[in-house]
Amino acid sequence: QVQLLQSGAEVKKPGASVKVSCKTSGYTFSTYYVHWVRQAPGQGLEWIGWMNPNTRAVNYAQDFQGRVLMTRETSTGTAYMTLSRLTFDDTAIYFCARDKGGLEVEGSLDSWGHGTLVTVSS
Amino acid sequence: SYELTQPPSMSVSPGQTARITCSADTLPKQYAYWYQQKPGQAPVLVIFKDSQRPSGIPERFSGSSSGTTVALTINGVLAEDEADYYCQSADTSGAFVIFGGGTKLTV
Repeated sequence: QVQLLQSGAEVKKPGASVKVSCKTSGYTFSTYYVHWVRQAPGQGLEWIGWMNPNTRAVNYAQDFQGRVLMTRETSTGTAYMTLSRLTFDDTAIYFCARDKGGLEVEGSLDSWGHGTLVTVSS
Repeated sequence: SYELTQPPSMSVSPGQTARITCSADTLPKQYAYWYQQKPGQAPVLVIFKDSQRPSGIPERFSGSSSGTTVALTINGVLAEDEADYYCQSADTSGAFVIFGGGTKLTV
């Protein structure tokens, strides 16, 4: 079955960077877009962007442009999201999710990782 | 900026029907998606492309669209349906994903 396994919780200082991994299994990694979504404590869902694992094309939400980088390692089926210049407001759970549209981005997220808690604290 | 508007909360009794709405000017042009999220868990897709139900989602969940409003309807609500529900769509260009603020459903 489709699984997305994310890396463990992180604690970072303001100004630092964090890299979260999302190891996929149960499907062909290169044929489905991967999205990243975050959720601050007690708040709603916020879309960060998507990556095409086949072409490495990316599309970032305007609020994150210049500060986020989405990459992948096709040999292991792993997607990565790096967020830099962290502030206290970046404290959140970060989710990766598969787009069910296959080779076309649909925006329909049918499988999700369990989430990675990133805490920004001085 | 583009926003999807949902009621923040709703309360229904078991066995009743819950209808959660989501509004935005661009919804006639973009599909809507609905997610259920229970505490401490990742979201689960319950409706895609306005009204289609993924495999494994109970038939009591349905979606509809009319003009600038889409709706998630849960018929015969069960206690296990108590959760936060988020609508999701795209902006006018179709390039950016947007989430509604979420609706807390209390059963």
